Amino acid sequence: ILNVEQSPQSLHVQEGDSTNFTCSFPSSNFYALHWYRWETAKSPEALFVMTLNGDEKKKGRISATLNTKEGYSYLYIKGSQPEDSATYLCAFSNYGGSQGNLIFGKGTKLSVKP
Amino acid sequence: EPEVTQTPSHQVTQMGQEVILRCVPISNHLYFYWYRQILGQKVEFLVSFYNNEISEKSEIFDDQFSVERPDGSNFTLKIRSTKLEDSAMYFCASSEALHGSGYTFGSGTRLTVV
Repeated sequence: ILNVEQSPQSLHVQEGDSTNFTCSFPSSNFYALHWYRWETAKSPEALFVMTLNGDEKKKGRISATLNTKEGYSYLYIKGSQPEDSATYLCAFSNYGGSQGNLIFGKGTKLSVKP
Repeated sequence: EPEVTQTPSHQVTQMGQEVILRCVPISNHLYFYWYRQILGQKVEFLVSFYNNEISEKSEIFDDQFSVERPDGSNFTLKIRSTKLEDSAMYFCASSEALHGSGYTFGSGTRLTVV
């Protein structure tokens, strides 16, 4: 059974702190790794899609790295703001089935206090 | 920015009844998906749809479930004879391509089976 693990489960930081979360996934037959930001009562919002080992992507204060050989991705938030409070989901797809089938982790819930 | 819209946002139904969850994907997207999240659990893949047919489905997506694209804009998920364990948040998503593109998710339909 393919499994995606995210840590920590939840995180409380002060405004201005930088933080990072981890996503672990099976390294065999890797196809793509997605990161989504999900605020309560809203749609999950795509942050990054990464496909190549060593990929690094950046969007404002948020960046992500990918290591497909060891099966992990890090998401970094620099200078957290209260509006960054959300659940951050990672999802993985592989060549085993259809590449459209995303396998999600449980998410990391981030709370940023002003 | 284009959105995936889902209706209704909440639905309460009696066990054994049929429900239809509706989605309007982004107009130029070609791939459509249904995912669900049972409270406290991971987001799970149900089905993907391309070129007017199912391209992949999970073990969850048994004969109780069906999908349809009745016209050029709507994408529906029908659940026949609902069970208590079907209670979940159901998300529709669409994407331009299968490879390397993030999904655009709707904000979900909260289904409660009583």
